[in-house]
Amino acid sequence: DQQVKQNSPSLSVQEGRISILNCDYTNSMFDYFLWYKKYPAEGPTFLISISSIKDKNEDGRFTVFLNKSAKHLSLHIVPSQPGDSAVYFCAASYYGNNRLAFGKGNQVVVIP
Amino acid sequence: EADIYQTPRYLVIGTGKKITLECSQTMGHDKMYWYQQDPGMELHLIHYSYGVNSTEKGDLSSESTVSRIRTEHFPLTLESARPSHTSQYLCASSPGVGAFFGQGTRLTVV
Repeated sequence: DQQVKQNSPSLSVQEGRISILNCDYTNSMFDYFLWYKKYPAEGPTFLISISSIKDKNEDGRFTVFLNKSAKHLSLHIVPSQPGDSAVYFCAASYYGNNRLAFGKGNQVVVIP
Repeated sequence: EADIYQTPRYLVIGTGKKITLECSQTMGHDKMYWYQQDPGMELHLIHYSYGVNSTEKGDLSSESTVSRIRTEHFPLTLESARPSHTSQYLCASSPGVGAFFGQGTRLTVV
């Protein structure tokens, strides 16, 4: 049973515009959420995270929003750049269990 | 900057061969993980370790085995490779929350 879900597997966006990626989770014990970026044939690289005590975390062009009541988080990338073209994975864990649960990923294509 | 290394990056091998995928980290992390990932799919945890001499199977059943004799080293072994083992294998380590990943090993069994 998949605990982290990423729908809309692919997204195309014009350079300079905003990319919005969505993630839903089912396990109410999750209290820490992360976004990873992955290029083909490489390992995921950490982008940004958020703890359940917050509803927003911002780091440069990347902002993650958390809606605990809806069990939903989103990643905003603005402005989008061609180098952002990659697969983005949402992941979640909870205190006492450091094992990350991953979604299936969203393919983002930024068109120059 | 994460210091976790996987070798080889790519491996094509015949059915029935024994293989070992190497993973090393220089960050002194106790927690290490092996994930398996196929295109368009989520990362599946196949093994994890919370320290030396500690190994556990993950959520996805795997015919591979692991060992953790040293903190920095977490190799994965397949005794007899099969085409169904073709996948990308990702090693990760964690300081407690989140994880840092190596570059992965793309394994193809022919």
